[in-house]
Amino acid sequence: GAVVSQHPSRVICKSGTSVKIECRSLDFQATTMFWYRQFPKQSLMLMATSNEGSKATYEQGVEKDKFLINHASLTLSTLTVTSAHPEDSSFYICSASMTGSSYEQYFGPGTRLTVT
Amino acid sequence: GQQLNQSPQSMFIQEGEDVSMNCTSSSIFNTWLWYKQDPGEGPVLLIALYKAGELTSNGRLTAQFGITRKDSFLNISASIPSDVGIYFCAGQEGGTSYGKLTFGQGTILTVHP
Repeated sequence: GAVVSQHPSRVICKSGTSVKIECRSLDFQATTMFWYRQFPKQSLMLMATSNEGSKATYEQGVEKDKFLINHASLTLSTLTVTSAHPEDSSFYICSASMTGSSYEQYFGPGTRLTVT
Repeated sequence: GQQLNQSPQSMFIQEGEDVSMNCTSSSIFNTWLWYKQDPGEGPVLLIALYKAGELTSNGRLTAQFGITRKDSFLNISASIPSDVGIYFCAGQEGGTSYGKLTFGQGTILTVHP
């Protein structure tokens, strides 16, 4: 149980284009989903907290107009990187907490974004 | 904001040896979590700790939530090659930041057969 998937696993896009990453909780309902960014050999940095049916809460320094988050249902959250630039290249990971419990976050397998 | 200091940064050990890593915080956390991450994958939850002083085991792994709620350690006994990876501690806040995780810098574990 507690499986989280992400799609795509890898994506290469050109500068200026937008990319959408999906995060799904496969076998549980997730009221809250989190989006992280991880650079090589570094820890995970929280970008935003996404609650179903409401606006995401962004961490300081994260541009909300650049990283659009939509949490339309209890099993799906999407992150759209708009007008991507090479410096947006990174490993993006989502996590989900089960409805009624925020103690444990279950992570997706991550999405490797490369912007050329 | 909260900061976690995780040590050691890396460890090189022989198969069969025991391993210990720890995290300390400048502030109190309500929950401590330990994750393992393999290259190119998302972190996998190993152990969750909810109460100060709690000692929890998961197979060869043992973790403890410090009495002061500002620290935690993870021990791995009788290491095997598949223990290789990056181990992260994470503290979970309460109050208005409920659910948010703050991660340590990670401990890179290498196990030589």
